[in-house]
Amino acid sequence: NAGVTQTPKFQVLKTGQSMTLQCAQDMNHNSMYWYRQDPGMGLRLIYYSASEGTTDKGEVPNGYNVSRLNKREFSLRLESAAPSQTSVYFCASTPGEPNIYDEQYFGPGTRLTVT
Amino acid sequence: RKEVEQDPGPFNVPEGATVAFNCTYSNSASQSFFWYRQDCRKEPKLLMSVYSSGNEDGRFTAQLNRASQYISLLIRDSKLSDSATYLCVVNRERDDKIIFGKGTRLHILP
Repeated sequence: NAGVTQTPKFQVLKTGQSMTLQCAQDMNHNSMYWYRQDPGMGLRLIYYSASEGTTDKGEVPNGYNVSRLNKREFSLRLESAAPSQTSVYFCASTPGEPNIYDEQYFGPGTRLTVT
Repeated sequence: RKEVEQDPGPFNVPEGATVAFNCTYSNSASQSFFWYRQDCRKEPKLLMSVYSSGNEDGRFTAQLNRASQYISLLIRDSKLSDSATYLCVVNRERDDKIIFGKGTRLHILP
């Protein structure tokens, strides 16, 4: 099993450009999450999804959109990138519905720079 | 008090030594506690859950102190491979979601 995979690994965007970060998991997990990690900050939740077709806002959703295409895939879209969105983005999944007890399985991350 | 607070370090410790660090949390009703490990430029991975009675996994021991609202991680006989950032995770009150601390960096010196 590959676990959680993310593409691309690195990306450089100019301000105002758009892009979609892809995430897929092969563990048959129900819930998926997008986080961002900035220097000196903890991981912050952007959006999450409890099941196909459902999404909810996390702590820092502004400037992002998400799509839970099917049980395996959860994408994160930046419609008009800003320098403040320069960060490392991690996708994660958990087996059941979102809860506070499950281990989170993370993908390898996408390093995004917006100039 | 911040929701989750960790000493950022770095802790520079010689190989073979014992090292311990704490994580304080503000939600007195928290029920969920974890330690995750994150290697440089890698994703976080679960190291261990923290139970009320404390738990041990090999050289690693995690403790919960509810009265003082902190969890601790003790690493005995430290190895070079223990060099990493250790993230504390606790559930918070306002939305019952988990929150990650900023992490404590540990460098094991040869």
